[in-house]
Amino acid sequence: SAVISQKPSRDICQRGTSLTIQCQVDSQVTMMFWYRQQPGQSLTLIATANQGSEATYESGFVIDKFPISRPNLTFSTLTVSNMSPEDSSIYLCSVGGGLAEQFFGPGTRLTVL
Amino acid sequence: GEDVEQSLFLSVREGDSSVINCTYTDSSSTYLYWYKQEPGAGLQLLTYIFSNMDMKQDQRLTVLLNKKDKHLSLRIADTQTGDSAIYFCAESIRAGANNLFFGTGTRLTVIP
Repeated sequence: SAVISQKPSRDICQRGTSLTIQCQVDSQVTMMFWYRQQPGQSLTLIATANQGSEATYESGFVIDKFPISRPNLTFSTLTVSNMSPEDSSIYLCSVGGGLAEQFFGPGTRLTVL
Repeated sequence: GEDVEQSLFLSVREGDSSVINCTYTDSSSTYLYWYKQEPGAGLQLLTYIFSNMDMKQDQRLTVLLNKKDKHLSLRIADTQTGDSAIYFCAESIRAGANNLFFGTGTRLTVIP
């Protein structure tokens, strides 16, 4: 299984600021995914990040708010821009492995004041 | 669009079996997954099943799939207090590394 790490593990941020979350995988993967889990809710896909191309965003998520970088096959970043309290969530990155496995990082717990 | 539903809560006594249920709407699902999330932790992949199977067993875990009724269940035998967590079912509609659609999650509480 893939080993995925995320930084930071948690942060408390002020309204109007931005936070960049890093995701590192121990093996090369084609696609990485960013999910959001709002308090008490299930997971919602934000975007799919392919190396060497623009990220593909799901309905309700836009690049200006959640810019994503994917500079190589083991690393990606998600930035939460111009934050508001509604952005308080756990942000998780995910990668595929083997035929059908999908593995998740430990998540970044963000609180916006 | 995809819609994955689960009951929100389940309580069982230690040593009993737990059955967590999930229904989905997309008949083109290829793989269905069960994840476990403990408090303050990320998601742990427990098991998954290909849509052309109707059962998969892995130690204490048994997954049953009724594709006709679009119903998935996870049975945990001899439930332990360490099994207390939120369990999410999820579906994908394409094999390989693609996005998943998650259910609402079922909070399992195991009573000693």
